[in-house]
Amino acid sequence: QSVLTQPPSVSGAPGQRVTISCTGSSSSIGAGYDVHWYQQLPGAAPKLIIYGNINRPSGVPDRFSGSKSGTSASLAITGLQIEDEADYYCQSFDTDLSAWVFGGGTKLTVL
Amino acid sequence: QITLKESGPTLVKPTQTLTLTCSFSGFSLTTPGVRVGWIRQPPGKALEWLALIIWDDDKRYSPSLKSRLTITKDTSKNQVVLTMTNMDPVDTATYYCAQYSAMEGGGNFAYWGQGTLVTVSS
Repeated sequence: QSVLTQPPSVSGAPGQRVTISCTGSSSSIGAGYDVHWYQQLPGAAPKLIIYGNINRPSGVPDRFSGSKSGTSASLAITGLQIEDEADYYCQSFDTDLSAWVFGGGTKLTVL
Repeated sequence: QITLKESGPTLVKPTQTLTLTCSFSGFSLTTPGVRVGWIRQPPGKALEWLALIIWDDDKRYSPSLKSRLTITKDTSKNQVVLTMTNMDPVDTATYYCAQYSAMEGGGNFAYWGQGTLVTVSS
């Protein structure tokens, strides 16, 4: 059971918009810790796509955006493309655990 | 250009000790603020943070695995080593090392190695 909760799967058609939620607690996201998002393509290492809740590293398309409110955060992907099909993970810090924590991951299927 | 690469055994027996090496380039663990961490991922499962070492040799461990983990650095070789004792089949996973980017609100793992699959089996 992951400290951060994500839906196991989401899907959308090419061109559509999808969102992936990440729910934490008062000791993680709710305590003010930033949320970061990673994309893991099949057979590859995770890649940072959103950091500090809303920021995109250089080279990440602006189709990817992040938000945070209260004890939750969300990743939105607009204009879905086939190559977006991957697993997505959120990550934050939990002060009660004194540990960096990940969500359980969400598999995005582009129909 | 920042790169990291993990190396170590692909197969270990139950109860044995695993030693993994992360060799990196493009940064130095003598630079203030630099940190390197280890994360693992069992087949088909989620990512799990294991350990982190800081430039000043401070160390952080996952509370659930702290008794089994040791993280060290060799700045002359640009390497970070993770040892995990008393390996069990449930420790079968891909092990990643990653450079940690500190931020005021809690940092992230900005650069990752390719990962190395470790299987625990007799």
